[in-house]
Amino acid sequence: GDSVTQMEGPVTLSEEAFLTINCTYTATGYPSLFWYVQYPGEGLQLLLKATKADDKGSNKGFEATYRKETTSFHLEKGSVQVSDSAVYFCAPDHTGGFKTIFGAGTRLFVKA
Amino acid sequence: DVKVTQSSRYLVKRTGEKVFLECVQDMDHENMFWYRQDPGLGLRLIYFSYDVKMKEKGDIPEGYSVSREKKERFSLILESASTNQTSMYLCASSAPAEPQHFGDGTRLSIL
Repeated sequence: GDSVTQMEGPVTLSEEAFLTINCTYTATGYPSLFWYVQYPGEGLQLLLKATKADDKGSNKGFEATYRKETTSFHLEKGSVQVSDSAVYFCAPDHTGGFKTIFGAGTRLFVKA
Repeated sequence: DVKVTQSSRYLVKRTGEKVFLECVQDMDHENMFWYRQDPGLGLRLIYFSYDVKMKEKGDIPEGYSVSREKKERFSLILESASTNQTSMYLCASSAPAEPQHFGDGTRLSIL
């Protein structure tokens, strides 16, 4: 079945550091790919998405590129802020939204 | 902006009780979902619904049931609560083939 693997956390960075959170997946066909973010005490919210190979999703300074050849969708940000502290979930979906697969989540701490 | 509202942020119940978790969305979405979130396990789908009175089992439906009598409301029912159902429960809704919108979650403790 479909699955997703993302790097274990927690990840602790200083403010303005470069962030990479790795995500690889196995899925039927060519799924849509999502990154969701969960801030403390809240539900998940969509951060960015890509729907086909080589697409780049971006939002709030975060980026991720759909790499079909490596089945990866790594999340990057050039300069993190304290307010980016949250849990990040990689989520492929080839079912048209019925059964999105969520990774275990990667907790990010950003220190001032 | 889409609003998904879960009726309680925190809930404490006793073993064997019947527990209802309510979720309401205001965007006329066809799809609604219930997940549980546990540390290290990510989100696991319990049930989803793609239309009024329609429901489909997710990955971990045992011990749970759902009800969708109106399009905007999706209820999760724990028929006889057990301690292993202590968890964070998240409701979500979406339009077909669109990303999901989540509520803030209900942290349920079963004593």
